[in-house]
Amino acid sequence: DTAVSQTPKYLVTQMGNDKSIKCEQNLGHDTMYWYKQDSKKFLKIMFSYNNKELIINETVPNRFSPKSPDKAHLNLHINSLELGDSAVYFCASSQEYSQKDEQYFGPGTRLTVT
Amino acid sequence: GEDVEQSLFLSVREGDSSVINCTYTDSSSTYLYWYKQEPGAGLQLLTYIFSNMDMKQDQRLTVLLNKKDKHLSLRIADTQTGDSAIYFCAETDSGGYQKVTFGTGTKLQVIP
Repeated sequence: DTAVSQTPKYLVTQMGNDKSIKCEQNLGHDTMYWYKQDSKKFLKIMFSYNNKELIINETVPNRFSPKSPDKAHLNLHINSLELGDSAVYFCASSQEYSQKDEQYFGPGTRLTVT
Repeated sequence: GEDVEQSLFLSVREGDSSVINCTYTDSSSTYLYWYKQEPGAGLQLLTYIFSNMDMKQDQRLTVLLNKKDKHLSLRIADTQTGDSAIYFCAETDSGGYQKVTFGTGTKLQVIP
């Protein structure tokens, strides 16, 4: 009965490949997010979707493309992977698009690009 | 842009109090949060405070907000080994949508 799940948990791939990370939430939340946490543990928002609509798109290379087939899913596709993409990627969700709503985080996907 | 800073590391003895500090630059911050990240796990919201409050207490946790100095602190009373984790402060602005800016994280080590 995991609230926010991500697959895979670990992903090791070579430079230049294309990969996807999937995220699903079973909380009935309207808003989902992707964050990137680098090796120094710095956590930065990448994207936010509300009811399948893109709301936040931070300065992220075009190689990163989120896709939300429905409210419960927000997948992250990455083209032409680079060494600097190595990080832990966290998906999160919140009930509404309001400031005080708690964000529930998934367990993270550790991406290693070699 | 917004900037949220924390000291990187704090070490305390079990049973003592821990105080984790955070400074932020966005004067329009409306909600400020403390998240806990245990090793290999996602972030868990511990507590939050609205910007018109200066203190909030929740069991062993006390949050103090000095809005004038843009300083937020988290005090953990009677720190336990299970409190060892990375603690992130975060803020949202008044822009009407939930863009959360996280601090750099403070690694709390509790020594038995």
